[in-house]
Amino acid sequence: DVKVTQSSRYLVKRTGEKVFLECVQDMDHENMFWYRQDPGLGLRLIYFSYDVKMKEKGDIPEGYSVSREKKERFSLILESASTNQTSMYLCASSPGHTLQETQYFGPGTRLLVL
Amino acid sequence: QKEVEQDPGPLSVPEGAIVSLNCTYSNSAFQYFMWYRQYSRKGPELLMYTYSSGNKEDGRFTAQVDKSSKYISLFIRDSQPSDSATYLCAMSSTGFQKLVFGTGTRLLVSP
Repeated sequence: DVKVTQSSRYLVKRTGEKVFLECVQDMDHENMFWYRQDPGLGLRLIYFSYDVKMKEKGDIPEGYSVSREKKERFSLILESASTNQTSMYLCASSPGHTLQETQYFGPGTRLLVL
Repeated sequence: QKEVEQDPGPLSVPEGAIVSLNCTYSNSAFQYFMWYRQYSRKGPELLMYTYSSGNKEDGRFTAQVDKSSKYISLFIRDSQPSDSATYLCAMSSTGFQKLVFGTGTRLLVSP
């Protein structure tokens, strides 16, 4: 069964803290993605990766960085959390380089920055 | 103007009704169109995928794409309470999965 897991369902952090969000997929997928989902704005792509140690900026990369040291794991890092980064963060993965292959989403992490 | 527009709802219907969910878009380069369903506190899951114009049917669900009007629709026949969820449209101009999502329409189907 397809499985994308995220390290936390809920997270509360203080302004200025460094925050790590972890995503793991067990399907040997090539591609991994980080989105944030906000009411009225939908899903917005932060970063994505087509291969180990490879990363590409999405539409809203400012304030975020990512790391992909192993194929199955894709980490999102908030170097210095701010209140405007309070959001639902969704990780996704997909098998290869064609759109016919579905993006599988994790359950999401609700982050609150105080 | 957003690239993809979607009415947020909520859309409330009785069980058994036919539901029509819609998105409009402005980028004429979009060729790949998807509908995702997202239950509360869950990640989105792919429901339907179409390439270019036309219709696609899968059980109670039908996806339509009208590229001339830049308009896509998802129809749900014989709606069930278990269909209550947020429905997201998504689209792309390339085969490399950089998707643009609508904001989602919340659907409530009452028994």
